[in-house]
Amino acid sequence: QKEVEQDPGPLSVPEGAIVSLNCTYSNSAFQYFMWYRQYSRKGPELLMYTYSSGNKEDGRFTAQVDKSSKYISLFIRDSQPSDSATYLCAIPETSGSRLTFGEGTQLTVNP
Amino acid sequence: EPEVTQTPSHQVTQMGQEVILRCVPISNHLYFYWYRQILGQKVEFLVSFYNNEISEKSEIFDDQFSVERPDGSNFTLKIRSTKLEDSAMYFCASREESYGYTFGSGTRLTVV
Repeated sequence: QKEVEQDPGPLSVPEGAIVSLNCTYSNSAFQYFMWYRQYSRKGPELLMYTYSSGNKEDGRFTAQVDKSSKYISLFIRDSQPSDSATYLCAIPETSGSRLTFGEGTQLTVNP
Repeated sequence: EPEVTQTPSHQVTQMGQEVILRCVPISNHLYFYWYRQILGQKVEFLVSFYNNEISEKSEIFDDQFSVERPDGSNFTLKIRSTKLEDSAMYFCASREESYGYTFGSGTRLTVV
């Protein structure tokens, strides 16, 4: 079983839609969870990070962790064409160690 | 906003040649990393570096790879004898004590 799994998409939505991006993970010891955004030919950019279970909101973005299901989500409200990118979930084994990335979901928001 | 700088942005090299990829991490960061992303695949961890030594490395990081922090600002990844399968985007990252990793824009390495 892969440590971190993510549906690669692609996902195409109209502008203004609510987008839901998801990852599952296998190691119940994981405590920190991150979402990165990667534009074409650029490095990953940290969007959100959460610790343990619960929700965290930042503007139009909400990160959600369900440790009982080993499931993490990123919601984007009122999606914009500028949100078109690949979204990567990433989990460090401990607070500062290597990141294990999901496959990335390619999102296109159509005007 | 501080950023991680990588050079060159694109490097083409012949198989068997040595390449050095360069990174300037954010100045007050203490932890440094190299990751790579083969086209169409996941971002993969290569190595982490702290206090002038390797703190962790993956199975990918074999004897062909080495890292160095030759001065107070640069962090380099050397591939001694490149293979076709080393063609990938290589990302440098750094962080402070907290877990907010900052990635550079990457070096696209093409081995021909």
